[in-house]
Amino acid sequence: DTAVSQTPKYLVTQMGNDKSIKCEQNLGHDTMYWYKQDSKKFLKIMFSYNNKELIINETVPNRFSPKSPDKAHLNLHINSLELGDSAVYFCASSPAGLSPLHFGNGTRLTVT
Amino acid sequence: DAKTTQPPSMDCAEGRAANLPCNHSTISGNEYVYWYRQIHSQGPQYIIHGLKNNETNEMASLIITEDRKSSTLILPHATLRDTAVYYCIVRVANTGNQFYFGTGTSLTVIP
Repeated sequence: DTAVSQTPKYLVTQMGNDKSIKCEQNLGHDTMYWYKQDSKKFLKIMFSYNNKELIINETVPNRFSPKSPDKAHLNLHINSLELGDSAVYFCASSPAGLSPLHFGNGTRLTVT
Repeated sequence: DAKTTQPPSMDCAEGRAANLPCNHSTISGNEYVYWYRQIHSQGPQYIIHGLKNNETNEMASLIITEDRKSSTLILPHATLRDTAVYYCIVRVANTGNQFYFGTGTSLTVIP
Protein backbone atom coordinates (compact mmCIF):
# COMPACT_ATOMS: atom_id res chain seq x y z
CA ASP A 1 0.00 0.00 0.00
CA THR A 2 3.04 2.29 0.09
CA ALA A 3 2.29 5.29 -2.10
CA VAL A 4 5.88 6.19 -3.03
CA SER A 5 8.43 3.43 -2.63
CA GLN A 6 12.19 3.52 -3.12
CA THR A 7 14.70 0.74 -3.36
CA PRO A 8 17.14 0.08 -1.93
CA LYS A 9 16.76 1.66 1.48
CA TYR A 10 20.51 1.53 2.07
CA LEU A 11 23.28 1.51 -0.52
CA VAL A 12 26.98 1.28 0.30
CA THR A 13 29.43 1.40 -2.57
CA GLN A 14 32.93 2.46 -3.51
CA MET A 15 34.09 5.53 -5.33
CA GLY A 16 33.99 5.24 -9.08
CA ASN A 17 31.14 2.74 -9.19
CA ASP A 18 27.86 3.23 -11.04
CA LYS A 19 24.62 2.70 -9.13
CA SER A 20 20.87 3.14 -9.52
CA ILE A 21 18.06 3.93 -7.13
CA LYS A 22 14.53 2.97 -8.11
CA CYS A 23 11.32 4.84 -7.34
CA GLU A 24 7.73 3.86 -7.95
CA GLN A 25 4.49 5.65 -7.13
CA ASN A 26 1.02 4.10 -7.23
CA LEU A 27 -0.88 7.35 -6.81
CA GLY A 28 -1.39 8.10 -10.48
CA HIS A 29 0.52 11.37 -10.13
CA ASP A 30 1.77 13.27 -13.14
CA THR A 31 5.05 14.58 -11.74
CA MET A 32 7.90 12.85 -9.93
CA TYR A 33 10.99 14.31 -8.25
CA TRP A 34 14.33 13.49 -6.77
CA TYR A 35 15.66 15.37 -3.74
CA LYS A 36 19.04 15.10 -2.05
CA GLN A 37 19.46 15.60 1.70
CA ASP A 38 23.04 16.09 2.76
CA SER A 39 24.69 15.67 6.14
CA LYS A 40 23.49 19.10 7.21
CA LYS A 41 19.91 17.93 6.60
CA PHE A 42 19.34 20.44 3.81
CA LEU A 43 16.80 19.13 1.26
CA LYS A 44 17.64 20.18 -2.28
CA ILE A 45 15.66 19.39 -5.39
CA MET A 46 17.59 17.60 -8.13
CA PHE A 47 15.07 16.74 -10.84
CA SER A 48 11.42 16.71 -11.65
CA TYR A 49 9.70 14.76 -14.41
CA ASN A 50 6.29 15.49 -15.86
CA ASN A 51 4.74 13.06 -18.31
CA LYS A 52 8.12 11.49 -19.05
CA GLU A 53 9.75 14.81 -19.84
CA LEU A 54 12.39 16.43 -17.69
CA ILE A 55 11.14 19.87 -16.88
CA ILE A 56 13.60 21.05 -14.24
CA ASN A 57 17.25 20.18 -13.69
CA GLU A 58 18.87 21.99 -10.79
CA THR A 59 22.63 22.41 -11.43
CA VAL A 60 23.22 18.72 -10.81
CA PRO A 61 26.36 17.07 -12.23
CA ASN A 62 25.70 15.13 -15.41
CA ARG A 63 26.86 12.00 -13.61
CA PHE A 64 23.31 11.96 -12.29
CA SER A 65 20.63 10.98 -14.77
CA PRO A 66 16.94 10.39 -14.10
CA LYS A 67 15.22 7.78 -16.20
CA SER A 68 11.46 7.33 -16.39
CA PRO A 69 10.28 4.17 -18.16
CA ASP A 70 6.67 5.13 -17.47
CA LYS A 71 4.63 7.63 -15.50
CA ALA A 72 4.77 5.56 -12.33
CA HIS A 73 8.55 5.23 -12.19
CA LEU A 74 11.49 7.62 -11.93
CA ASN A 75 14.83 5.95 -11.39
CA LEU A 76 18.06 7.76 -10.53
CA HIS A 77 21.29 6.60 -12.14
CA ILE A 78 24.60 7.80 -10.79
CA ASN A 79 27.87 7.26 -12.63
CA SER A 80 31.41 7.48 -11.25
CA LEU A 81 30.30 7.90 -7.66
CA GLU A 82 32.20 10.38 -5.50
CA LEU A 83 32.52 10.75 -1.74
CA GLY A 84 30.41 13.91 -1.87
CA ASP A 85 27.50 11.95 -3.29
CA SER A 86 26.94 10.38 0.11
CA ALA A 87 23.52 11.55 1.23
CA VAL A 88 19.91 10.49 1.61
CA TYR A 89 18.01 10.63 -1.67
CA PHE A 90 14.25 11.10 -1.58
CA CYS A 91 11.82 10.41 -4.36
CA ALA A 92 8.50 12.28 -4.42
CA SER A 93 5.44 12.65 -6.59
CA SER A 94 2.57 15.06 -7.00
CA PRO A 95 -0.48 15.53 -9.18
CA ALA A 96 -0.76 18.56 -11.38
CA GLY A 97 -1.49 22.00 -10.02
CA LEU A 98 -0.91 23.12 -6.45
CA SER A 99 -1.22 19.73 -4.80
CA PRO A 100 1.42 18.81 -2.23
CA LEU A 101 4.28 16.38 -2.67
CA HIS A 102 4.21 12.80 -1.42
CA PHE A 103 7.65 11.54 -0.43
CA GLY A 104 9.19 8.12 -0.22
CA ASN A 105 11.20 7.10 2.82
CA GLY A 106 14.57 7.73 1.25
CA THR A 107 17.66 5.84 0.16
CA ARG A 108 20.77 6.35 2.25
CA LEU A 109 23.76 6.27 -0.09
CA THR A 110 27.23 5.89 1.41
CA VAL A 111 30.24 6.16 -0.86
CA THR A 112 33.51 4.87 0.59
CA ASP B 1 16.72 29.18 -3.14
CA ALA B 2 14.50 29.02 -0.06
CA LYS B 3 12.33 32.08 0.44
CA THR B 4 11.49 31.47 4.10
CA THR B 5 13.11 32.06 7.48
CA GLN B 6 12.42 29.90 10.51
CA PRO B 7 13.96 29.62 13.99
CA PRO B 8 16.37 26.69 14.08
CA SER B 9 14.85 25.04 17.12
CA MET B 10 11.97 25.17 19.59
CA ASP B 11 10.73 23.22 22.59
CA CYS B 12 7.15 22.56 23.57
CA ALA B 13 5.61 20.80 26.56
CA GLU B 14 3.56 17.74 25.79
CA GLY B 15 -0.15 18.55 25.62
CA ARG B 16 0.42 22.24 25.01
CA ALA B 17 0.02 24.06 21.72
CA ALA B 18 3.13 24.33 19.56
CA ASN B 19 3.32 27.57 17.58
CA LEU B 20 5.94 27.51 14.83
CA PRO B 21 6.63 30.83 13.11
CA CYS B 22 7.80 31.44 9.55
CA ASN B 23 8.80 34.63 7.76
CA HIS B 24 8.26 34.91 4.01
CA SER B 25 8.50 38.64 3.44
CA THR B 26 9.13 38.38 -0.32
CA ILE B 27 6.15 36.16 -1.06
CA SER B 28 4.29 36.94 -4.27
CA GLY B 29 0.55 37.32 -4.55
CA ASN B 30 0.00 33.94 -6.20
CA GLU B 31 2.36 31.91 -4.06
CA TYR B 32 1.06 29.47 -1.45
CA VAL B 33 2.59 28.67 1.92
CA TYR B 34 3.12 24.96 2.58
CA TRP B 35 4.18 23.20 5.75
CA TYR B 36 5.91 19.82 5.88
CA ARG B 37 7.58 17.91 8.67
CA GLN B 38 10.31 15.30 8.72
CA ILE B 39 10.45 12.80 11.54
CA HIS B 40 13.90 11.32 12.11
CA SER B 41 15.11 11.02 8.51
CA GLN B 42 11.83 9.63 7.17
CA GLY B 43 10.44 11.23 4.05
CA PRO B 44 8.93 14.68 4.59
CA GLN B 45 5.23 14.58 5.39
CA TYR B 46 2.74 17.14 4.14
CA ILE B 47 0.85 18.99 6.90
CA ILE B 48 -1.13 21.89 5.49
CA HIS B 49 -1.04 24.75 2.98
CA GLY B 50 -2.79 28.05 2.37
CA LEU B 51 -2.85 31.24 0.32
CA LYS B 52 -4.21 34.00 2.53
CA ASN B 53 -7.03 32.62 4.63
CA ASN B 54 -6.42 30.66 7.79
CA GLU B 55 -6.64 26.92 7.30
CA THR B 56 -7.30 24.00 9.61
CA ASN B 57 -7.20 20.27 9.13
CA GLU B 58 -6.92 17.23 11.36
CA MET B 59 -3.22 17.78 11.91
CA ALA B 60 -2.79 21.49 12.42
CA SER B 61 -3.90 25.06 11.85
CA LEU B 62 -2.20 27.61 9.63
CA ILE B 63 -2.46 31.29 10.44
CA ILE B 64 -1.28 33.69 7.71
CA THR B 65 -0.91 37.37 8.49
CA GLU B 66 -2.95 39.85 6.51
CA ASP B 67 0.10 41.14 4.65
CA ARG B 68 1.12 37.50 3.99
CA LYS B 69 4.68 38.18 5.07
CA SER B 70 4.59 35.61 7.83
CA SER B 71 2.65 32.61 9.04
CA THR B 72 2.34 30.35 12.06
CA LEU B 73 1.76 26.64 12.15
CA ILE B 74 -0.16 25.56 15.24
CA LEU B 75 -0.17 22.03 16.58
CA PRO B 76 -3.01 22.34 19.11
CA HIS B 77 -2.00 19.55 21.51
CA ALA B 78 1.57 18.51 20.89
CA THR B 79 2.52 14.89 21.53
CA LEU B 80 5.93 13.24 21.70
CA ARG B 81 5.36 11.94 18.16
CA ASP B 82 5.26 15.52 16.90
CA THR B 83 8.98 15.86 17.57
CA ALA B 84 10.35 16.54 14.09
CA VAL B 85 11.85 19.15 11.80
CA TYR B 86 9.14 21.44 10.43
CA TYR B 87 9.63 23.11 7.06
CA CYS B 88 7.80 26.18 5.87
CA ILE B 89 7.87 26.45 2.08
CA VAL B 90 6.72 29.05 -0.38
CA ARG B 91 5.84 27.39 -3.61
CA VAL B 92 7.52 29.08 -6.57
CA ALA B 93 4.53 29.41 -8.83
CA ASN B 94 6.33 29.96 -12.13
CA THR B 95 8.58 26.90 -12.05
CA GLY B 96 6.17 24.04 -12.30
CA ASN B 97 5.80 22.18 -9.05
CA GLN B 98 9.09 23.24 -7.52
CA PHE B 99 9.25 23.07 -3.74
CA TYR B 100 12.31 24.67 -2.17
CA PHE B 101 12.98 23.55 1.39
CA GLY B 102 14.74 25.83 3.86
CA THR B 103 16.54 24.75 7.02
CA GLY B 104 13.37 24.24 9.04
CA THR B 105 12.63 24.32 12.76
CA SER B 106 13.57 21.37 14.91
CA LEU B 107 10.68 20.97 17.35
CA THR B 108 11.23 18.93 20.49
CA VAL B 109 8.15 17.98 22.49
CA ILE B 110 9.11 17.52 26.12
CA PRO B 111 7.26 15.08 28.40
